[in-house]
Amino acid sequence: QKEVEQNSGPLSVPEGAIASLNCTYSDRVSQSFFWYRQYSGKSPELIMSIYSNGDKEDGRFTAQLNKASQYVSLLIRDSQPSDSATYLCAVNFWFGNEKLTFGTGTRLTIIP
Amino acid sequence: GAGVSQSPSNKVTEKGKDVELRCDPISGHTALYWYRQSLGQGLEFLIYFQGNSAPDKSGLPSDRFSAERTGGSVSTLTIQRTQQEDSAVYLCASSLSFVYEGAHTEAFFGQGTRLTVV
Repeated sequence: QKEVEQNSGPLSVPEGAIASLNCTYSDRVSQSFFWYRQYSGKSPELIMSIYSNGDKEDGRFTAQLNKASQYVSLLIRDSQPSDSATYLCAVNFWFGNEKLTFGTGTRLTIIP
Repeated sequence: GAGVSQSPSNKVTEKGKDVELRCDPISGHTALYWYRQSLGQGLEFLIYFQGNSAPDKSGLPSDRFSAERTGGSVSTLTIQRTQQEDSAVYLCASSLSFVYEGAHTEAFFGQGTRLTVV
């Protein structure tokens, strides 16, 4: 059973709209949650981290964490064609020195 | 250094040869990961080093793959008797350790090594 799950997409969103990316994780003690963006042919790049329940905003990006429901989401406002990429969710499950676990990623395409 | 550094950036090798890929993590990062990514696919976890603990080797696909981390810093991933299916981008990432609640354990990736086995 996968521990971090994402819809693989592709997710198509019109330019200027809000893109919503979701990630669920298995029922284990978890503390740290991250969103990475990966352009084709490039390495994953950290864009958001969130550690407590609620919303965290950074520019056009908002991360939302709900530990009770075991999901973390990423909202991209005013989507731009440059936001077209694969978005990876990652979770640090805390049980000693647990490694970071990645989802398989959601491919997002912003349509001009 | 300022970021995670991997070398070489590209490596072309003949089937059956051994290759070594190097990763130099961010200074002070005690956690180090190796991943593999085939074209159009997701990240495939290979191995995880955490401080002085025994490494988590659960993702290594075969005994042809091995990795070591010397002095808690630089890591080398070795692939013996390379096969064509080993062709992929090999990514290294490093982070601080998760040793207390609220610790910032963001992982940062190197630029990757593109391995082509011909």
